[in-house]
Amino acid sequence: DIQMTQSPSSLSASVGDRVTITCRASQSISRYLNWYQQKPGKAPKVLIYAASSLQSGVPSRFSGSGSGTDFTLTISSLQPEDFATYYCQQSYSTPWTFGQGTKVEIK
Amino acid sequence: QVQLVQSGAEVKKPGSSVKVSCKASGGTFSSYAISWVRQAPGQGLEWMGGIFPIFGTANYAQKFQGRVTITTDESTSTAYMELSSLRSEDAAVYYCARAPSFSSWDYYYNGMDVWGQGTTVTVSS
Repeated sequence: DIQMTQSPSSLSASVGDRVTITCRASQSISRYLNWYQQKPGKAPKVLIYAASSLQSGVPSRFSGSGSGTDFTLTISSLQPEDFATYYCQQSYSTPWTFGQGTKVEIK
Repeated sequence: QVQLVQSGAEVKKPGSSVKVSCKASGGTFSSYAISWVRQAPGQGLEWMGGIFPIFGTANYAQKFQGRVTITTDESTSTAYMELSSLRSEDAAVYYCARAPSFSSWDYYYNGMDVWGQGTTVTVSS
């Protein structure tokens, strides 16, 4: 199975901050990498697919980059509604696997 | 607009089975795949497997092979996930999720874009 490792596991940030979350795959996955946001008690929501494509309806402050084994999710200016847990997920090969999550908390 | 509506919470005894349904409304059911993802309390997300109705066969994570069965009923646009030999570690919220524009479980270039509301499964004697 492909292991996905996110860093950091958690971070504290203020509204307006630029936030970066990284995700590393245990082998090359080309650009088959998706990012999700999950709020407590809710289902995940896809933000970015294919490493850098913005899902329809997602604000443009979210962006993704990377290929191969190293990927980044960036929130250019953190908004109050962005405090949540973020997961990366590879769809290169089954079983699809997720990172352990990064919790973004209010500073 | 596709919506996925899951069946209600379940309480099961260890060793028994649970079957969760996921009914789709809107869209063409056979044109996308359905995945099942679970989340234990306070833990991350875990992909269990999925099914593409056109293929007719399911793809399962090795971890659940032999214990999980994923099926669909195209006449009612409903997907099912049955997990057997339940143990305490299976207590989780189980989600179904749509994988649009689907062609293959490998090299899949989209995210899971529509999710059910989740079904809580409690395993307790």
